[in-house]
Formats: sequence, C-alpha cells, structure tokens
Amino acid sequence: SQTIHQWPATLVQPVGSPLSLECTVEGTSNPNLYWYRQAAGRGLQLLFYSVGIGQISSEVPQNLSASRPQDRQFILSSKKLLLSDSGFYLCAWTQNNYGYTFGSGTRLTVV
Amino acid sequence: GQQLNQSPQSMFIQEGEDVSMNCTSSSIFNTWLWYKQDPGEGPVLLIALYKAGELTSNGRLTAQFGITRKDSFLNISASIPSDVGIYFCAGLRGNNDMRFGAGTRLTVKP
Repeated sequence: SQTIHQWPATLVQPVGSPLSLECTVEGTSNPNLYWYRQAAGRGLQLLFYSVGIGQISSEVPQNLSASRPQDRQFILSSKKLLLSDSGFYLCAWTQNNYGYTFGSGTRLTVV
Repeated sequence: GQQLNQSPQSMFIQEGEDVSMNCTSSSIFNTWLWYKQDPGEGPVLLIALYKAGELTSNGRLTAQFGITRKDSFLNISASIPSDVGIYFCAGLRGNNDMRFGAGTRLTVKP
C-alpha cells in the first residue's frame, strides 16, 4: 500500500535561517507531488506541484522553493525564513483523479 | 487560490444532531471530494464523488455531487464527539488543479 511520510512534525526556526522540509512517498511510482500551506484557521493554499523528477511548478511567488531530486521525494526549502512563512505545511500525492493523499504535516514557527 | 465557497464557516452542535455543510463554485469540477482534518494532522479523504448527481454514503456521512457540477454537500447524521474537526470540500478539474474550500469547523458538545 502507498504511504506518505513528512518530517519534521514541528519546527521552530529563527528569522533569516534556512529551511528544508522533506516528503517521501512509498509504494507507488511517478506520483504527482504537492506542497500546500495552511495558515492558522484558514484553508489550504497550493505552493508547488511536480509531475516528475526535476519538474516544479510554482503557484504563488514567495520566499520558498521546491525540488524533486528523486521520483518519490519532494523537498520544500527556503534560504532565509520570514515571519510570514510560519504555518502548517502539507505534502500530498496523487496518481489519478481520485483525490490527493496528504502527509501528517509540519508545523513551522518562525520566531 | 480558493475558488470554492464553503459554508457554514463553523458549527456548534449537540451530540446526536445532524450536520449539513456545502460548497459552491462558479466553475465546473469533474470530481468533488470531502476531507476531514483533525488538529495538527493532514486532511483525510472521507468521500469522493465522480459523477454529476452522484449520492454516496460512508457510514454516517452522505455527500452529493450537484447536477450542475458546481456544488456539493456533505451531511453527517447522529453526530458524535469524534466528528469534531475541520471539514474541507475540494473540487478537482485535473490532476494538478484541485481547489479547496476554506473549511467548516465543527464542534460537537456532548
């Protein structure tokens, strides 16, 4: 069966520090991968999606970047975090139109 | 960004009551999905709807894909305390085009 792993679960980082969040999927190949951000009490905002290795599409301009170095690995990064980058980050995958499966999320607090 | 209008924004109900929430859009979607998010967790898929007019149940949950393909509702019957959470609707137009509603926060009082 397919599983999605996301880590770390929580992270507290100072302003200006770098960021690296990792997401991996098991049990499938060539998935579509997504990074979402959820501000407190708000809905889900799509940040990046990838349909294959090295292929990244950005939905909104921001302080973040994404990379897909391997088929089942998706990384969210920043060189210098801003306070406004705080939020709940979710990775998701899909392989068809049957909906996305989400990871358990990373709570990022920038202080 | 979000293109789905989800209502209500929040609900406070008594255990045992039925719940109804809905999503509307100005755009047509091929698939409607309903997710539940527990605090500190990622959303979990509850029900997926693939055809206009489709009515699907999952235990105490019932959801329908509107005939115009621009709306969907979710009903929860006989609510219990573990139904607490945030419910999101989502509309899918293609593999890379899923839009979410802003969520309905459900509180169930025992």
